[in-house]
Amino acid sequence: DVKVTQSSRYLVKRTGEKVFLECVQDMDHENMFWYRQDPGLGLRLIYFSYDVKMKEKGDIPEGYSVSREKKERFSLILESASTNQTSMYLCASSPWSATNEKLFFGSGTQLSVL
Amino acid sequence: EDKVVQSPLSLVVHEGDTVTLNCSYEVTNFRSLLWYKQEKKAPTFLFMLTSSGIEKKSGRLSSILDKKELFSILNITATQTGDSAIYLCASPGAGSYQLTFGKGTKLSVIP
Repeated sequence: DVKVTQSSRYLVKRTGEKVFLECVQDMDHENMFWYRQDPGLGLRLIYFSYDVKMKEKGDIPEGYSVSREKKERFSLILESASTNQTSMYLCASSPWSATNEKLFFGSGTQLSVL
Repeated sequence: EDKVVQSPLSLVVHEGDTVTLNCSYEVTNFRSLLWYKQEKKAPTFLFMLTSSGIEKKSGRLSSILDKKELFSILNITATQTGDSAIYLCASPGAGSYQLTFGKGTKLSVIP
């Protein structure tokens, strides 16, 4: 069974802390994504990566960075967490083929920044 | 800028009712429209639609695309409490693999 695993379901951090959210997929997918989901705003793309060491900004990259050192792992980094980054963070992956655009999602990390 | 708009944003129905969820889109170089169901946390894939007028069906759920009017509907017949979820509609942007999502429809089915 295909799997996208996010390391934490719930995380509580303080303002100014550096935060790492980890995501691992076991499907050998080329593409990986980080979204955040907020009530009334839906899913918004933060960053995505289509290959190891490659990354592209999404719609809301400010305050975030990413790292993809290995194909199966995509990390989201909050350099200095702020309260407006309290949100549900969803990682997803998809294969390279343009004809198969559906995403496989992880279970999400609910991050609270106090 | 690509846009996907879902309506209604929330809906409360009784078990056994039939519901229709709407998704309209404005997407450059349209390729497909996708529906996901999100219960609790991880959205799970329901349908991918690429051709107008061809209904996709899975049990009590069905979906159809109208590429002339730029919309899709998701129908759920004989709703059950287990259908309570957020339903997301999405479409890939021009020349990229990233999806533009609508804000979702929160469906609540009460006994």
